[in-house]
Amino acid sequence: DQQVKQNSPSLSVQEGRISILNCDYTNSMFDYFLWYKKYPAEGPTFLISISSIKDKNEDGRFTVFLNKSAKHLSLHIVPSQPGDSAVYFCAASTGGFKTIFGAGTRLFVKA
Amino acid sequence: NAGVTQTPKFQVLKTGQSMTLQCAQDMNHNSMYWYRQDPGMGLRLIYYSASEGTTDKGEVPNGYNVSRLNKREFSLRLESAAPSQTSVYFCASSVELGQPQHFGDGTRLSIL
Repeated sequence: DQQVKQNSPSLSVQEGRISILNCDYTNSMFDYFLWYKKYPAEGPTFLISISSIKDKNEDGRFTVFLNKSAKHLSLHIVPSQPGDSAVYFCAASTGGFKTIFGAGTRLFVKA
Repeated sequence: NAGVTQTPKFQVLKTGQSMTLQCAQDMNHNSMYWYRQDPGMGLRLIYYSASEGTTDKGEVPNGYNVSRLNKREFSLRLESAAPSQTSVYFCASSVELGQPQHFGDGTRLSIL
């Protein structure tokens, strides 16, 4: 039973355009959400997070949106750059200890 | 460079062998975690440690043991390795429990 789902295995975007990565969850008890970026042969890097009391959080080119009623969150990258090409994981936690990760979406940013 | 250091980076074991994966962080974080990543899947939590002296099971703890030796170090032990434990293992740490912030570069473990 996947509690955190990233339904798009891959996404291709032109440099300079917006990248939108989506994530759905099933557990309404999740109250904190995180996004990570991962390059090959490296560990994940924390990007941005959002608490369930908010619906938007922004950090530079990265913005995370949370729609609690739809149990959906998305990561927007504007503008996209070739260096953004990586695998992106969303994750959710229940204000405690167990953070559940999605399977990841591979983003390709074409120059 | 400060962060999370994992050793070894690669290891091949035979079925039934034992091994300890080492992890150390120098950011004075209270919480530490061990994850495994398998193809087509997200990271799955094996064990975590909320603070020095405490450890708890995650999603997939069977076949593993852990030790939080001190605040810096959190090791993962496979007592009798099985092919199903072939995976990439990541250690992580964080200030807040449940919000892993910093990851090591992983240990690629193959069990034949």
